[in-house]
Amino acid sequence: DVKVTQSSRYLVKRTGEKVFLECVQDMDHENMFWYRQDPGLGLRLIYFSYDVKMKEKGDIPEGYSVSREKKERFSLILESASTNQTSMYLCASSATREEETQYFGPGTRLLVL
Amino acid sequence: KQEVTQIPAALSVPEGENLVLNCSFTDSAIYNLQWFRQDPGKGLTSLLLIQSSQREQTSGRLNASLDKSSGRSTLYIAASQPGDSATYLCAVGFRTLTFGKGTMLLVSP
Repeated sequence: DVKVTQSSRYLVKRTGEKVFLECVQDMDHENMFWYRQDPGLGLRLIYFSYDVKMKEKGDIPEGYSVSREKKERFSLILESASTNQTSMYLCASSATREEETQYFGPGTRLLVL
Repeated sequence: KQEVTQIPAALSVPEGENLVLNCSFTDSAIYNLQWFRQDPGKGLTSLLLIQSSQREQTSGRLNASLDKSSGRSTLYIAASQPGDSATYLCAVGFRTLTFGKGTMLLVSP
């Protein structure tokens, strides 16, 4: 079974802090994704990556950056956390560009005070 | 830009009923359509993937159909059970996915 793990289930941070959300997949997937999910807005793509050290912006990249130094690990970075970044963050991975079955992690619920 | 709409937003049915969830999308040049399930506070679980060359996929009590020409997909759940209670999300895309906002399903015993 594919397993996608996220470093924390719940996080509480202060405004202005630098926040790191980690995601690891164990199936040698090429593609990894970061989404945020908010009530009434659904899932929105923040960043994605098709290869190590490669990244592409999604629909809402502002205020975020990412890092993919190893194939299995994709990190989301909030450079200076703000209250409007309070959300549920979901990481996903998929095997190839053609097969778009995405496998999701359990999510990290982030509260920025 | 692709837009995905799911109707209804919420649905409540008694156990044992057959039901249909609807998904519509604006750009028919999709590659894949995927249905997910999400339990409260959890991540998404993939249920069915329909590639653009396919018209339907089945898994157990679930059947998903795809009509690209009309921009629609349906998820049919047979003989619903309380354990089916969850939010069901439809997503379409090529390389990246665009999600609908989901249908929240409640199946009462």
